[in-house]
Amino acid sequence: AQRVTQPEKLLSVFKGAPVELKCNYSYSGSPELFWYVQYSRQRLQLLLRHISRESIKGFTADLNKGETSFHLKKPFAQEEDSAMYYCALSGRNFNKFYFGSGTKLNVKP
Amino acid sequence: SQTIHQWPATLVQPVGSPLSLECTVEGTSNPNLYWYRQAAGRGLQLLFYSVGIGQISSEVPQNLSASRPQDRQFILSSKKLLLSDSGFYLCAWSPGLEGYTQYFGPGTRLTVL
Repeated sequence: AQRVTQPEKLLSVFKGAPVELKCNYSYSGSPELFWYVQYSRQRLQLLLRHISRESIKGFTADLNKGETSFHLKKPFAQEEDSAMYYCALSGRNFNKFYFGSGTKLNVKP
Repeated sequence: SQTIHQWPATLVQPVGSPLSLECTVEGTSNPNLYWYRQAAGRGLQLLFYSVGIGQISSEVPQNLSASRPQDRQFILSSKKLLLSDSGFYLCAWSPGLEGYTQYFGPGTRLTVL
């Protein structure tokens, strides 16, 4: 069965510290993996996807098929990174998406 | 540019009353449409998705139903609300095979009393 697990509900770090938001998945096939972010009083929006291998706002995520993980990383956290982060997966047809329970990132000054 | 609208923004309904939440998309055609419920600590749960007019797939058995009467209109309904239907409902669209990004609406906060 398809499943996305984000083990941390809350992650607090100081400004300038590295941050890693964990995401593990299970999927019978080749999934597409995404990270979505929701800033305070804003809509949920796409942050990045694994297939593009891009860095958005300093964040990167590497798909590890052996560990079935897609952790989100940033070397130096900023206060404006404070938000709710959701890991999500989809099949290749992008018809259905499955989201994790989310991790709230709090970057302290 | 494309936009997605949801209404109402908030709704308080008594148990046993009917429900109709509406979602419309502008600026695109033949989008994939989705209804999610967002619960604290449980993330987003996919309720329904649609790849075309009249085509609805249900992900979880529940007291709710969805319809797509027009290409860019998606409606979430219930004949009789339960207390457990309370939550935050999000509508989203995506280009489907033309693209992977989901674009979310502002959401509807439903409270069933």
